[in-house]
Amino acid sequence: GAGVSQSPSNKVTEKGKDVELRCDPISGHTALYWYRQSLGQGLEFLIYFQGNSAPDKSGLPSDRFSAERTGGSVSTLTIQRTQQEDSAVYLCASSILTGGEGNTIYFGEGSWLTVV
Amino acid sequence: GIQVEQSPPDLILQEGANSTLRCNFSDSVNNLQWFHQNPWGQLINLFYIPSGTKQNGRLSATTVATERYSLLYISSSQTTDSGVYFCAVERYFDDMRFGAGTRLTVKP
Repeated sequence: GAGVSQSPSNKVTEKGKDVELRCDPISGHTALYWYRQSLGQGLEFLIYFQGNSAPDKSGLPSDRFSAERTGGSVSTLTIQRTQQEDSAVYLCASSILTGGEGNTIYFGEGSWLTVV
Repeated sequence: GIQVEQSPPDLILQEGANSTLRCNFSDSVNNLQWFHQNPWGQLINLFYIPSGTKQNGRLSATTVATERYSLLYISSSQTTDSGVYFCAVERYFDDMRFGAGTRLTVKP
């Protein structure tokens, strides 16, 4: 696609429910990043994919969080047993990672998650 | 991991003024980018600048890699420049780390 696409754009869920957030990167982009941004705060790195593999999962805040990427394209971030502190914007970004300007990362518009 | 510090944390300007935002980082990097987050939350790329100087209209950026800092210059500021400016760095192409940002308010 023309840009990074995220869905849903907004999600309100009850505490304890599971949620899935989806990211469709720019076509041909091999690198994919997930970040979390709480209201008025900076960006917290969650996980990075190069192709389908995630070399480092230590950024995920707890074992309730998991992420996968299949076919080197779409990625899903899953939060199990949501808590109120999970409320935030979840941002996805991608890059083509060919060196030079190809390392530029582009963000989607985010998925706004509210846990009530 | 690599540390990224941005200053100042907040900046208030009158329309037409110039400003300089700073980003310090703790280790050598292969990737450095500046972003603008608009009031609607969208993150927009401004510059890919791991070293050297670039200009785009009223904005320019300089990174001195050997001294581990980058500067973003905004000239003749406009109200539409308001928002948060983030610096982000990447050492090994595996995690892009963001600074806490500079919140810029441009008053008419």
